[in-house]
Amino acid sequence: EVDLVESGGGLVRPGRSLRLSCTASGFSFSDHYMDWVRQAPGKGLEWVGRIRKRTNSYTTEYATSVKGRFTISRDDSRNSVYLQMNSLQIADTAVYSCARVSVRGDYYFIDSWGQGTLVTVSS
Amino acid sequence: DIQLTQSPSFLSASVGDRVTITCRAGQEISRFLVWYQQRPGKAPEVLAYGASTLQSGVPSRFSVGGFDTEFTLTISSLQPEDFATYYCQQSKNYPVTFGQGTRLEVK
Repeated sequence: EVDLVESGGGLVRPGRSLRLSCTASGFSFSDHYMDWVRQAPGKGLEWVGRIRKRTNSYTTEYATSVKGRFTISRDDSRNSVYLQMNSLQIADTAVYSCARVSVRGDYYFIDSWGQGTLVTVSS
Repeated sequence: DIQLTQSPSFLSASVGDRVTITCRAGQEISRFLVWYQQRPGKAPEVLAYGASTLQSGVPSRFSVGGFDTEFTLTISSLQPEDFATYYCQQSKNYPVTFGQGTRLEVK
């Protein structure tokens, strides 16, 4: 069974940094792209970014709202993906979830999600 | 960024009703559209990908279709477990974007 467990959330002041972790189990982690998605309280889903797998050189993509501030990395030996968040803003307050990306033909989609970790940015 | 606009944003319906949710893309995205269902307090689940392919295990009362800029998700006969929020997502271009969501509530 696929399991994704996030950690590292908490209360942080505007302008500060935070690093989230996600540990995966139940599947071949190194074979999958991984996403981070966030959901502000009572709001909709917002895609944060993606990291590809080793055969795609671990390249990354980011949402416009976080580009230049957030960095995604992974450690396949630890079955883990990370989200480094710098220069945090109040608008970054949300539950952050990691997600497994699967592919069928040309189509990529998220087929498993973690339960998320809450990040609150407040002074 | 490619904008996705769902309509309606809120929908009240009864068990047994037929409902349709529309997702419109701000530019052509071929069939690079995914639908998700999110029940209250739960993680989203994929319903369909490639605009027209239901994910394995999704009940046949769900149907999806569309191309380029207009896409639909139809539930033929609402069941109690279908009252949830539905999101479309495009994967044609980066950044990936979601629609704002359609909340389906019990009338």
